[in-house]
Amino acid sequence: GAGVSQSPSNKVTEKGKDVELRCDPISGHTALYWYRQSLGQGLEFLIYFQGNSAPDKSGLPSDRFSAERTGGSVSTLTIQRTQQEDSAVYLCASSSYRGSNQPQHFGDGTRLSIL
Amino acid sequence: DAKTTQPTSMDCAEGRAANLPCNHSTISGNEYVYWYRQIHSQGPQYIIHGLKNNETNEMASLIITEDRKSSTLILPHATLRDTAVYYCIVRVESGGFKTIFGAGTRLFVKA
Repeated sequence: GAGVSQSPSNKVTEKGKDVELRCDPISGHTALYWYRQSLGQGLEFLIYFQGNSAPDKSGLPSDRFSAERTGGSVSTLTIQRTQQEDSAVYLCASSSYRGSNQPQHFGDGTRLSIL
Repeated sequence: DAKTTQPTSMDCAEGRAANLPCNHSTISGNEYVYWYRQIHSQGPQYIIHGLKNNETNEMASLIITEDRKSSTLILPHATLRDTAVYYCIVRVESGGFKTIFGAGTRLFVKA
């Protein structure tokens, strides 16, 4: 079946602009995660959604970052007033259950470049 | 999440087994060991995971020591396409992989 889909694959924008990144999880997966990966670095957790529960936002770096998940499926990550340090690959993952025995499946990410 | 330690890089000859070690000495009883790999410009790809028993699937084998303080990922017959960064992580019960994946092991498979 289809994997996790992210769009756009690449986004270049000017400093100060707002950007919106989209994630389509694997159908039926109730858990959805956002991460970012800076050049040559590991993954940094941003936010986690599980079903109808309140999201875990503990990884969001500032109040310029927000995310929502509508209808328990598609999620959007919004970055307001972008800064150059926001440049990174933003990865989305989904899993069928929040438990530690369920692997997360990743999309190929959105490469965000802030000029 | 427990911290993991992996070598920075490893080489392997094509067709030979690649054995990638990982130390996780502070792992707790309810934490699984997960392995992912990342090929340039792609998202991480799930490989395998386990709790305490050794595991095998179509991609790899996972050997976990009896005390669970270390593990080894084995790619039985490495190919050039297995060249990637391999991440070993341990995962708590709730939420995502909140810890940074870390630098992982860069595996180079050579012809």
